[in-house]
Amino acid sequence: AQKITQTQPGMFVQEKEAVTLDCTYDTSDQSYGLFWYKQPSSGEMIFLIYQGSYDEQNATEGRYSLNFQKARKSANLVISASQLGDSAMYFCAMREGETSGSRLTFGEGTQLTVNP
Amino acid sequence: DARVTQTPRHKVTEMGQEVTMRCQPILGHNTVFWYRQTMMQGLELLAYFRNRAPLDDSGMPKDRFSAEMPDATLATLKIQPSEPRDSAVYFCASGSVQGRRAKNIQYFGAGTRLSVL
Repeated sequence: AQKITQTQPGMFVQEKEAVTLDCTYDTSDQSYGLFWYKQPSSGEMIFLIYQGSYDEQNATEGRYSLNFQKARKSANLVISASQLGDSAMYFCAMREGETSGSRLTFGEGTQLTVNP
Repeated sequence: DARVTQTPRHKVTEMGQEVTMRCQPILGHNTVFWYRQTMMQGLELLAYFRNRAPLDDSGMPKDRFSAEMPDATLATLKIQPSEPRDSAVYFCASGSVQGRRAKNIQYFGAGTRLSVL
């Protein structure tokens, strides 16, 4: 079974508008972490934002926010005021519990294109 | 600006040749990960180390892949002999594992793009 599901292979957004990238996860652990990474065309993986399973508030980092709905097991990334430089592949990832160390399981990614 | 450094950035080699990829983790990080990214499989974990000791290499084909950490500033991933199906981008990531409820963020290097002909 997929542990991380990103159902949107591609998304398009107009510059300056907000966009939501979907991520659902599957785990039986009580303690876990959720991450979003950005991969531009140059190829590097850039950490964007983190949400812990015990965090009561949604995480925010500048224009990035994470819409965490624990009961629905979703951790959607919201990018506000999109910029052309936001065009990239976005990956959702999960770290499960402590017994597996800090290994991450990644989703298949969503390709975001920001149009001028 | 601390970052994970990977060398080489690109490698083209012929089938059967040995390939060595190197990674310098961020100073002070105690955990190092090797991931492989392909179009078909996405990002998959190959192996990881904590305090230089291998914790899990179950994602690695044992007959041809090996991963080591000779010291705290260097991690290596070796393929011998290489095959065309090994063509992929190999990422190294490092992090500082701090226990339960800590972020334990992994920071990635720029990757090594390997082409085996």
